[in-house]
Amino acid sequence: DAKTTQPPSMDCAEGRAANLPCNHSTISGNEYVYWYRQIHSQGPQYIIHGLKNNETNEMASLIITEDRKSSTLILPHATLRDTAVYYCIVTGNQFYFGTGTSLTVIP
Amino acid sequence: DTAVSQTPKYLVTQMGNDKSIKCEQNLGHDTMYWYKQDSKKFLKIMFSYNNKELIINETVPNRFSPKSPDKAHLNLHINSLELGDSAVYFCASSPQSGGGYNEQFFGPGTRLTVL
Repeated sequence: DAKTTQPPSMDCAEGRAANLPCNHSTISGNEYVYWYRQIHSQGPQYIIHGLKNNETNEMASLIITEDRKSSTLILPHATLRDTAVYYCIVTGNQFYFGTGTSLTVIP
Repeated sequence: DTAVSQTPKYLVTQMGNDKSIKCEQNLGHDTMYWYKQDSKKFLKIMFSYNNKELIINETVPNRFSPKSPDKAHLNLHINSLELGDSAVYFCASSPQSGGGYNEQFFGPGTRLTVL
């Protein structure tokens, strides 16, 4: 399974868009990109996933580059409740969680 | 309805004891998992079961033994508990075990403290 690289931490002002980058340069053709988040010590929560195309749901948007070597999770209007650790996971058969990005939304 | 549930939520015990953590999912999924999250917040897969059969067993001490009585349940039994076993244990389930789209649903976690 491909490794991912994410910045350890980011801040975002409340109401602004939060853009969380992820590098996955060794991704293979059949591997999906998943994003999860973990608020405090709760169980990880699914946000969105994609293979090649950009995706959008009620929580976020996922932008995957054409070469698939990197992606960006976009939270369009960050709220204080979005403060969490965000994990980018690239997987074929199982999930390997990296260290994630700790996002702090600032009032 | 809770999709993936774990009991207990907190577990405090002495070194050397044997304890179990239970997990149940009502999603009709075929695959269930156990993860360990240590004090540094690193989340690592331990086991994966598909239809009651073990399919992934990462480097985990033999003291940890998963048991799946049916595909809706995956319990984790730990023998001879050690201080280093203190962590939060998460159960998860997914529709399938293979590649492709395979979203995992996580339980709320069990915080194990070994004294």
